[in-house]
Amino acid sequence: EIVMTQSPATLSVSPGERATLSCRATQSVSTNLAWYQQKPGQAPRLLIYGASTRATGIPARFSGSGSGTEFTLTISSLQSEDFAVYYCQQYDYWYTFGQGTKLEIK
Amino acid sequence: EVQLVESGGGLVQPGGSLRLSCAASGFTFSSYWMSWVRQAPGKGLEWVANIKQDGSDKTYVDSVKGRFTISRDNAKTSLFLQVNSLRAEDTAVYYCARGRALVRGAIDGFDIWGQGTMVTVSS
Repeated sequence: EIVMTQSPATLSVSPGERATLSCRATQSVSTNLAWYQQKPGQAPRLLIYGASTRATGIPARFSGSGSGTEFTLTISSLQSEDFAVYYCQQYDYWYTFGQGTKLEIK
Repeated sequence: EVQLVESGGGLVQPGGSLRLSCAASGFTFSSYWMSWVRQAPGKGLEWVANIKQDGSDKTYVDSVKGRFTISRDNAKTSLFLQVNSLRAEDTAVYYCARGRALVRGAIDGFDIWGQGTMVTVSS
């Protein structure tokens, strides 16, 4: 099983600042990686697939990068609606999610 | 509007069964792989099962193999998950999700999600 580890568990950032979230895989997943946003009481929302391609309707302030075992989700200028939990997910070998990073207001 | 609406969850005793349903609308259901993903209370996401457009290919996470069965009815634009021999660790919100596209044999992201249906396994 490919284990996905996200860091940090909680990230405190002020609105308007940049947030950088990390995701690491226990073995290479190439660019077979997606990112999701989940707000309390809501279903997840696909943000990024293919490690760096924004899903339909996702604002340009969200960007993904990385390949192999190291990945990053960057939110360039945080808006109030961006504070949520973010999950990475690999689909190179079956499908596994990271444990999530909670992005909270500083 | 593209929409997935789950139903069928509830409280069930260990060893019991449920049939979860997901009604799809607003898109050509028969053109997409579909999946179930679950989330235990306060925990992260876990992929459960996938089914191909015509139902001919089904895959499951190891922890549910032999107990859960995914199926679909394209005429009724509905997805199902039969969950048997339930255990306490199956307690979760079960989400129906659409596979965005199949790339090199894998779904490259779940792009539409339902609101989820809660399954609680407890005596």
